[in-house]
Amino acid sequence: DTGVSQDPRHKITKRGQNVTFRCDPISEHNRLYWYRQTLGQGPEFLTYFQNEAQLEKSRLLSDRFSAERPKGSFSTLEIQRTEQGDSAMYLCASSRGGTTYGYTFGSGTRLTVV
Amino acid sequence: AQTVTQSQPEMSVQEAETVTLSCTYDTSESNYYLFWYKQPPSRQMILVIRQEAYKQQNATENRFSVNFQKAAKSFSLKISDSQLGDTAMYFCAFMMAPYRTGANSKLTFGKGITLSVRP
Repeated sequence: DTGVSQDPRHKITKRGQNVTFRCDPISEHNRLYWYRQTLGQGPEFLTYFQNEAQLEKSRLLSDRFSAERPKGSFSTLEIQRTEQGDSAMYLCASSRGGTTYGYTFGSGTRLTVV
Repeated sequence: AQTVTQSQPEMSVQEAETVTLSCTYDTSESNYYLFWYKQPPSRQMILVIRQEAYKQQNATENRFSVNFQKAAKSFSLKISDSQLGDTAMYFCAFMMAPYRTGANSKLTFGKGITLSVRP
């Protein structure tokens, strides 16, 4: 069990560029969550997967955002045509089933849009 | 919809002393789960303590304990014998019971509180 891995740790991009982040969950965890954390705020739910199925998307996830989890393993979060308001920490977490014991979080990807 | 409020943005405590972090929440649910997460600077968020709403007994984990007041919708975290390693942001979070429609084990977080432990 190596925990939840996120790559890259930091990403600086110019406004209008596309970016993609990767999350590798704990191998036996079938649920994977994406959260966004802006400065001075708590994490906000974006979307989650059970295995390869994306079961819920937040209203925060505009059409420029897309997430995938092929084969129920790793997940990617892509942001197209980035805007300065997309600057945030993107957190990935995983859990086993509908746990009530919280999840295991990754260290996050910090995105800065300049 | 559930909301979680942490009204204290920052707190400071002397090493070895006790500090209490406040959290209130709003929900119409009768069964749910509450959490405190710790996020050290530039490190991943980790679970500190968990409370089940239908259990009256307050949860404890070593130096960490909670004061859960269900009627008041209050969930405070007490850290005893504070250590320098406790310096971090602390988030209070709410989760609906998983059998509820739309629950999905989604966490709703407060804004967090920055705790500094002084040597």
